[in-house]
Amino acid sequence: SQTIHQWPATLVQPVGSPLSLECTVEGTSNPNLYWYRQAAGRGLQLLFYSVGIGQISSEVPQNLSASRPQDRQFILSSKKLLLSDSGFYLCACRGPGRETQYFGPGTRLLVL
Amino acid sequence: DQQVKQNSPSLSVQEGRISILNCDYTNSMFDYFLWYKKYPAEGPTFLISISSIKDKNEDGRFTVFLNKSAKHLSLHIVPSQPGDSAVYFCAASYNQGGKLIFGQGTELSVKP
Repeated sequence: SQTIHQWPATLVQPVGSPLSLECTVEGTSNPNLYWYRQAAGRGLQLLFYSVGIGQISSEVPQNLSASRPQDRQFILSSKKLLLSDSGFYLCACRGPGRETQYFGPGTRLLVL
Repeated sequence: DQQVKQNSPSLSVQEGRISILNCDYTNSMFDYFLWYKKYPAEGPTFLISISSIKDKNEDGRFTVFLNKSAKHLSLHIVPSQPGDSAVYFCAASYNQGGKLIFGQGTELSVKP
């Protein structure tokens, strides 16, 4: 079965600093991968998805970018963080069932 | 534009009673719906799903009902248990591309 790793678990960063969140997947090959954000009191918003190495689709315009340097590695980045980037970031992998996605444990980001 | 809406941010029920969580959607192209359960500081876990060709799907204590004409789905939990206390998200998909549109979530609290 698939296992999704995310790190760090918690991150506190000053406004204007860079960001790099990493997600790795075990137990599958060539997976569809997703980055979501859950802002305080809000639902899960899809930020990026990737169907393969180097293939990234952005769902919403924002201060963030994503990269997929390896088949089972998905990275979320920013050059300069904004206060509004605070939230709970989740990496997900498409499962075997129709539209089922498996989620990682998440990274809580606080921008001060 | 919020295509998937969960209008109740919270719900409190007594242990042993029925919990009913509701979800409305606006896009008639959606053809697959899912419910996820999320504990604090963890990633969501898949709970149950339903295709638009069905109006009911049951799995143990969990049943999902779909009313296409009303663009409404609901999750019934019977009997409710304290361990069911979590945030429940409904999600929808329409193109089998693995992209899910999530609602805002409903926080369920089951009192002993």
